[in-house]
Amino acid sequence: DVKVTQSSRYLVKRTGEKVFLECVQDMDHENMFWYRQDPGLGLRLIYFSYDVKMKEKGDIPEGYSVSREKKERFSLILESASTNQTSMYLCASSLLGTGNRGNTIYFGEGSWLTVV
Amino acid sequence: AQKITQTQPGMFVQEKEAVTLDCTYDTSDPSYGLFWYKQPSSGEMIFLIYQGSYDQQNATEGRYSLNFQKARKSANLVISASQLGDSAMYFCAMRELSNTGGFKTIFGAGTRLFVKA
Repeated sequence: DVKVTQSSRYLVKRTGEKVFLECVQDMDHENMFWYRQDPGLGLRLIYFSYDVKMKEKGDIPEGYSVSREKKERFSLILESASTNQTSMYLCASSLLGTGNRGNTIYFGEGSWLTVV
Repeated sequence: AQKITQTQPGMFVQEKEAVTLDCTYDTSDPSYGLFWYKQPSSGEMIFLIYQGSYDQQNATEGRYSLNFQKARKSANLVISASQLGDSAMYFCAMRELSNTGGFKTIFGAGTRLFVKA
């Protein structure tokens, strides 16, 4: 089974702190994604990457950056956390292309971040 | 502009009846994919069904079927014979080609389904 592991389930950070959310997948997937989930807004794409050192902005990249130094690891960075970044963050991965079942994306368990 | 629109924030259905969850999408990419995911209260995201833009037939997976109307850009999920365990949040999603040649997947706002006994 595909496993997408997010390093922290629950975090509380102070405004202005630098925050790292780590994500690791074990299935050699090319694609990796970071979403945030907020009530009434669904999942919104922050950044994604389809190769090492490649990254592309999603719909809400402001205030975030990402790093993909190794294929299996995709990190989300909040350079200076703000209270409006309090949310649930979901990491996901998939194979590249349009293969079987559209190359379904697989999700981690989510990281609940509270910024105070 | 919203690329994935789910117009029903909440839906109620009687147990054992069928229910349709609406999804419309917008893309200029001729090759795209459409997904439905279920998120129960536990928070995990569960893949339900996939439809490719070139697939001629509507996708089915057990009690789930996808009513794909390409000209209308709609991809409604039909759940037959609803069960209490179907109570959850349901997300429609679309995979399309990105600006740099990768694939990105975007989601709608979701529909919360309540199944009544």
